[in-house]
Amino acid sequence: GESVGLHLPTLSVQEGDNSIINCAYSNSASDYFIWYKQESGKGPQFIIDIRSNMDKRQGQRVTVLLNKTVKHLSLQIAATQPGDSAVYFCAENTEYGNKLVFGAGTILRVKS
Amino acid sequence: GAGVSQSPRYKVAKRGQDVALRCDPISGHVSLFWYQQALGQGPEFLTYFQNEAQLDKSGLPSDRFFAERPEGSVSTLKIQRTQQEDSAVYLCASSFYNGELFFGEGSRLTVL
Repeated sequence: GESVGLHLPTLSVQEGDNSIINCAYSNSASDYFIWYKQESGKGPQFIIDIRSNMDKRQGQRVTVLLNKTVKHLSLQIAATQPGDSAVYFCAENTEYGNKLVFGAGTILRVKS
Repeated sequence: GAGVSQSPRYKVAKRGQDVALRCDPISGHVSLFWYQQALGQGPEFLTYFQNEAQLDKSGLPSDRFFAERPEGSVSTLKIQRTQQEDSAVYLCASSFYNGELFFGEGSRLTVL
């Protein structure tokens, strides 16, 4: 298929390993953060979210960590699978009403 | 289907032509958003509707871009006198008020 991210940073991991994808955000007033997964030719798909009153949230095989001091967000994927291969975006909400601001994205490639 | 539906999936236009992109949100979803995604980048906010009211159009790049949602359901994004820099994927997303955003698969516009 057509490549979605020709100039995005790429993380390559072995199947079964854990993955960590990082994101820096710029607006200290942001209070809601979301990670999205986007496969080639598809729209972004919600993975997990976190509000600014938390520093960690866990889902199924995924964990999001928020460090408000340095304005940093990370997504941890446990036991990475080939189906996890995609572009991952963090997004921040800077206003009431879900006006999301997306980061640049990271390509995750899982090697079997 | 149960998801956000966008049409056409692919559109090729000659520079100067007008195009119209359609979005069918999930039934009952009050909020509707349009985003523009250039190749290799994250989605960028264009405009936001709550029911038929366009509450934020701050992301529309020029007055050639126009969006409407006259009956609070289907929305159309119109681009007049298309330019090459308009080439991108146009994503529509909907949510129930400020809940989780569900994205469509996008309409890929190529302007020659």
